[in-house]
Amino acid sequence: DTGVSQDPRHKITKRGQNVTFRCDPISEHNRLYWYRQTLGQGPEFLTYFQNEAQLEKSRLLSDRFSAERPKGSFSTLEIQRTEQGDSAMYLCASSWGIRADTQYFGPGTRLTVL
Amino acid sequence: GENVEQHPSTLSVQEGDSAVIKCTYSDSASNYFPWYKQELGKRPQLIIDIRSNVGEKKDQRIAVTLNKTAKHFSLHITETQPEDSAVYFCAALLYSGGGADGLTFGKGTHLIIQP
Repeated sequence: DTGVSQDPRHKITKRGQNVTFRCDPISEHNRLYWYRQTLGQGPEFLTYFQNEAQLEKSRLLSDRFSAERPKGSFSTLEIQRTEQGDSAMYLCASSWGIRADTQYFGPGTRLTVL
Repeated sequence: GENVEQHPSTLSVQEGDSAVIKCTYSDSASNYFPWYKQELGKRPQLIIDIRSNVGEKKDQRIAVTLNKTAKHFSLHITETQPEDSAVYFCAALLYSGGGADGLTFGKGTHLIIQP
């Protein structure tokens, strides 16, 4: 499968613990996005990278959230001191080139905070 | 920031009939409007998109229309089939070429195809 991949697919954690998710974009895609989706809602934008530079952050991204893309390839999203309100599907998407507005999504990581 | 409204939230149609889902957006500068289909437990999949320099785009049974003046766009599915049952999301983006903010999504429409 040469699409966007995410790991893990599911994560259950206790409130207050830290969690880290990984996203591998489509090969050679230089733009990478993180979104959060709660039940019955559309995805909400969190942050965006062009190569290794983080260019945009939503106000939804509190200081407990941090994202990195150190070599311009895969990205990680860390949530510190998780809260029950962090329970959601975390989606990654990537795009590139002339049609950089066209974003392809990964399968997501479903986070459950107990 | 951008705000996208989507209607209806649920749409039930008979197999073979047409389905229409409508979205409005608030930022007149937005220039890219994709539609995603999401089946239960799966990733959003791009099914069609339109850019602000065209008014209509068609791909087999799926078409999208854009009215920039009224700031609304619609998804049309003809000859609906059971496999069309899913949640459909519209989205809007202001793409400047030098970078791209994230997509702003509507709340989704649950399309149910009745046999």
